[in-house]
Amino acid sequence: GQQLNQSPQSMFIQEGEDVSMNCTSSSIFNTWLWYKQDPGEGPVLLIALYKAGELTSNGRLTAQFGITRKDSFLNISASIPSDVGIYFCAGHTNAGKSTFGDGTTLTVKP
Amino acid sequence: KAGVTQTPRYLIKTRGQQVTLSCSPISGHRSVSWYQQTPGQGLQFLFEYFSETQRNKGNFPGRFSGRQFSNSRSEMNVSTLELGDSALYLCASSATGTGSYGYTFGSGTRLTVV
Repeated sequence: GQQLNQSPQSMFIQEGEDVSMNCTSSSIFNTWLWYKQDPGEGPVLLIALYKAGELTSNGRLTAQFGITRKDSFLNISASIPSDVGIYFCAGHTNAGKSTFGDGTTLTVKP
Repeated sequence: KAGVTQTPRYLIKTRGQQVTLSCSPISGHRSVSWYQQTPGQGLQFLFEYFSETQRNKGNFPGRFSGRQFSNSRSEMNVSTLELGDSALYLCASSATGTGSYGYTFGSGTRLTVV
């Protein structure tokens, strides 16, 4: 089946630093989604991308749909303590199937 | 509007027992998907229901089953529990039924098998 490789697996950064994470796949996806999961809660949708090459921002978050449709990137600028959590990418096909990456655990040190 | 509600939040079961988890999707959402989350394993897809029909199924043994009712509420059942079934079980609902506009997740049911 389809698999997503999400990296890095974890990140330890200082407050104020910028963060980058990405997902790659050998398969093409029609939609890329990024979620954030706070401790003890379910993932919450952050950004959705629908077109190859698309660049979308949500506050300090910026995500891009790779031009090959096989990858996506998420950047967080000027990190703050509440950015702590697990970030998941998800690729979606027109056949109605979603595949999630294994997540990037972000720790922000004040 | 109310979010996705999962009950119970926490559950402790003994190996060999069976368990039923419940999920009430957002009102109007007809698609419900179930995921298993374990540390280091990410989100593993179990199955997806749309209008009471199972449309997609992940690679889990037959001990894992589900169903969806006419009001879109869904239940997931795990029989003959094993220690490895300990996980956070997440339910996600979607308006379109394809998930391409994103899922709304519940807070999950934390299952511990002892």
